[in-house]
Amino acid sequence: SSELTQDPPVSVALGQTVRITCQGDSLKTYYASWYQHKPGQAPVLLMFGKNNRPSGIPGRFSGSNSGITASLTITGAQAEDEADYYCNSRDTSGILFGGGTKLTVL
Amino acid sequence: QVRLQQSGPGLVKPSQTLSLTCAISGDTVSSNSAAWNWIRQSPSRGLEWLGRTYYRSKWFNDYGVSVKSRIAITADTSKNHFALQLQSVTPDDTAVYYCARDQGDIWTSKFDFWGQGLHVTVSS
Repeated sequence: SSELTQDPPVSVALGQTVRITCQGDSLKTYYASWYQHKPGQAPVLLMFGKNNRPSGIPGRFSGSNSGITASLTITGAQAEDEADYYCNSRDTSGILFGGGTKLTVL
Repeated sequence: QVRLQQSGPGLVKPSQTLSLTCAISGDTVSSNSAAWNWIRQSPSRGLEWLGRTYYRSKWFNDYGVSVKSRIAITADTSKNHFALQLQSVTPDDTAVYYCARDQGDIWTSKFDFWGQGLHVTVSS
């Protein structure tokens, strides 16, 4: 069955750059979207499509796609970026989510 | 601005049916460009897509493999809301349940608006 695989927990020093990846066969056909999820809050859409950011999302978030891998990059991580990050995509029968990557900002 | 307001019980007994509703404002459940989804989050599973309903000249439903045999998602156009029913629940169904709008296209899933989330515990 289709699935999306994400990195294990990662950490980044304040102000530095971190990249989180998401791999899966569905990404050959469909674009990944990315969400930030903090405890007690609903997930927030960060990136979608080729490299689109909804209004209100800071420019330090960017995305890229290559083959079966999608990446989310945070350039100049801030303390408020500490959260869980999820990728998702369509697949032939519905929707997939990755397992999530916990980001710690040191 | 789209707003999704969830309602339902926070405690369900094992073997019973979990029922939640999601009231939509700022959009319509019969929109030809949106799909209306239920997603849950638990520490063990992360975000898990449960299913969706959408209208494209007629109503369609799709469900996630893990719950396909016991889930139903329905839309009520008179109330502009959609509902989740999950039958035969077990403690493993304990999670935070979200409703969300997917306003993507055929290539991209884009959950741009989410409900506030409801924590549902399955316990006797």
